[in-house]
Amino acid sequence: NAGVMQNPRHLVRRRGQEARLRCSPMKGHSHVYWYRQLPEEGLKFMVYLQKENIIDESGMPKERFSAEFPKEGPSILRIQQVVRGDSAAYFCASSGWDSSTDTQYFGPGTRLTVL
Amino acid sequence: GQQVMQIPQYQHVQEGEDFTTYCNSSTTLSNIQWYKQRPGGHPVFLIQLVKSGEVKKQKRLTFQFGEAKKNSSLHITATQTTDVGTYFCAGLSGGSYIPTFGRGTSLIVHP
Repeated sequence: NAGVMQNPRHLVRRRGQEARLRCSPMKGHSHVYWYRQLPEEGLKFMVYLQKENIIDESGMPKERFSAEFPKEGPSILRIQQVVRGDSAAYFCASSGWDSSTDTQYFGPGTRLTVL
Repeated sequence: GQQVMQIPQYQHVQEGEDFTTYCNSSTTLSNIQWYKQRPGGHPVFLIQLVKSGEVKKQKRLTFQFGEAKKNSSLHITATQTTDVGTYFCAGLSGGSYIPTFGRGTSLIVHP
């Protein structure tokens, strides 16, 4: 039973380019969460999605960032026109049907470096 | 909004010494979860506490949830070098589905 998968594991972009991060939840999970982690910092919630629905995007910057979880395929976090401050580790986590009590299982993360 | 404070930020110990990290929430929690993140790795779920005053043990790790469900602790007995990493608590308030993570406590174990 595969765990949460994220790709790419490392992504290097120049300022102004787009970054596209993918997350495939654990089999049977329908809830996906995206977090950002800066060095020496905790995890900052960005967005919570279910299939075809954004449930809570209160932690996501209003500009340049977007997320989706289509009916088929992985969840995608898209960052347009990246800036140096976007450099961070981006983790996605998935949980089962009861998002208020179910454990979140984290993927290995995507380390984004903006040159 | 809800805040979760975690102390200390760093803890250096000699192998064999005990270690404790504390987590305090500004609001009453419905449950609290603990995660461990190895250097360069991703958070790995350790345990979830739900009941007031709950105590759970995993080998050398002891987890406690306060009576008021606003604080929690993780205690490691006789640390080993394999315990190195950052330990995060994450609290959920009633009705919420987004856990609030503490900043984590980084444990460094010297052999």
